[in-house]
Amino acid sequence: TQLLEQSPQFLSIQEGENLTVYCNSSSVFSSLQWYRQEPGEGPVLLVTVVTGGEVKKLKRLTFQFGDARKDSSLHITAAQPGDTGLYLCAGEGGATNKLIFGTGTLLAVQP
Amino acid sequence: DAGVIQSPRHEVTEMGQEVTLRCKPISGHDYLFWYRQTMMRGLELLIYFNNNVPIDDSGMPEDRFSAKMPNASFSTLKIQPSEPRDSAVYFCASRGGPGLLSYNEQFFGPGTRLTVL
Repeated sequence: TQLLEQSPQFLSIQEGENLTVYCNSSSVFSSLQWYRQEPGEGPVLLVTVVTGGEVKKLKRLTFQFGDARKDSSLHITAAQPGDTGLYLCAGEGGATNKLIFGTGTLLAVQP
Repeated sequence: DAGVIQSPRHEVTEMGQEVTLRCKPISGHDYLFWYRQTMMRGLELLIYFNNNVPIDDSGMPEDRFSAKMPNASFSTLKIQPSEPRDSAVYFCASRGGPGLLSYNEQFFGPGTRLTVL
C-alpha cells in the first residue's frame, strides 16, 4: 500500500515567517501534486512535479521533488494570512489514474 | 464553466436512512472520482469512473455504499443504510482525458458534509 506522510501535521506561525512542509513515502511516484484546501471548499491544485530533483516556483511558494521521486517539499517564504489552509500532497504512480493523498498539513498564519 | 457541482451541500440524517449524494462533473471530463474526508483518515478515494464505467471501487468501505454514473454529466453515491461512522465530507472530482493540457489535474467540488445521527 502506498502511503504519503506529511510533516508537520499542524503549523501556526506569524506573518512574515518562512516554513517548510514535507511529504515522504517509501514508494516511487511518477508525479506528485500539491493541493491547498480552504475551509468549506475542495482542494485546489497548486503544482505538479514530474522529474526527480525538479524545482518549481509559484510566487512565494517553492516546490521540490526528491531525486528518487519518493518525497517532496513545499517551502513558503514570508508567509501571509492568505496562505492559511490545509496543504495536501498527492502522488500518482504506476498505470493507475488514482491519486494517493498525503495526511495533510494544516497551516495557520497569524497577522 | 461552473466547475464540479455537488448536492446537497449539507445532509443530516438518522441512522438507518438512505442517503444519496449527487455530482455533476465538468463538461468534457472523462474521469470522475468520489472521495471521503475525515479528520482521522484524511482524504480517501472511494471509487472512480472513466467514461462512465467504474474502474476501481476498492476504496468503497462496504456493501452499504454504491455509486453509479448513468451518463457523462451525472453521478450518485448512495449509502444504505447509513451509520454514524459514515459522517464525513464527501467530495466529487473530475479530470480531463490525455488530450487536455491539464489532464493531470483533478478539479474538486465543494463537497457534501454528511452527518448521521
